[in-house]
Amino acid sequence: EVQLEQSGAEVKKPGESLKISCKDSGDTFGTYWIGWVRQVPGKGLECMGIIYPGDSDTRYTPSFQGQVTISADKSTGTAYLQWNRLKASDTGIYYCARRFNSAFDNWGQGTLVTVSS
Amino acid sequence: SFELIQPPSVTVSPGQTATITCSGDKLGDKYVSWYQHKPGRTPMVVIYQDDKWPSGIPDRFSGSNSGNTATLTISGTQSLDEADYYCQAWDVNTPGIFGGGTKLTV
Repeated sequence: EVQLEQSGAEVKKPGESLKISCKDSGDTFGTYWIGWVRQVPGKGLECMGIIYPGDSDTRYTPSFQGQVTISADKSTGTAYLQWNRLKASDTGIYYCARRFNSAFDNWGQGTLVTVSS
Repeated sequence: SFELIQPPSVTVSPGQTATITCSGDKLGDKYVSWYQHKPGRTPMVVIYQDDKWPSGIPDRFSGSNSGNTATLTISGTQSLDEADYYCQAWDVNTPGIFGGGTKLTV
């Protein structure tokens, strides 16, 4: 069974870097796409991109291309979302989720990222 | 760029049928999934591949997708169905695009 466990809440300053994680405790990591979904305060869900850890094939939603980096380590069963220079507008909740049968059917608990000076 | 349009809000009386629409260019050519999102909770898929139920989702929830519009229908709406609902459209191996979300008030 897929269980996605995300890293804990983060408080950062603008301009700082950050890498958050999403670990699958099961044994099927690498056989499905994982996506990252953002929800900023008061707004809806946005899919940032997806990665296939089996071969690291990564697809970004155009508005997030160049703004973040999605990666995965198949050996540890972990996917990552990374920022090089955070902005206040990056404040939000970030979810990882498994894509299966053309849906995100299994979600991590979410990681709250707060960017404030 | 491809966009999905949902009504910002829908209000329904308990026991009545709620209908939430999702519009996009040639949406019927893509698979659509629907998610329920309650405050402080993780989003949950309630319909996938246009009209299929995940395990554990009551059959009060149903979906359809044709032309430019996908529809989520909740029959016999209950207070526990009150939530934000999002549609999502998928092309093969591309990030799924979400609609703007609909707040369902019961």
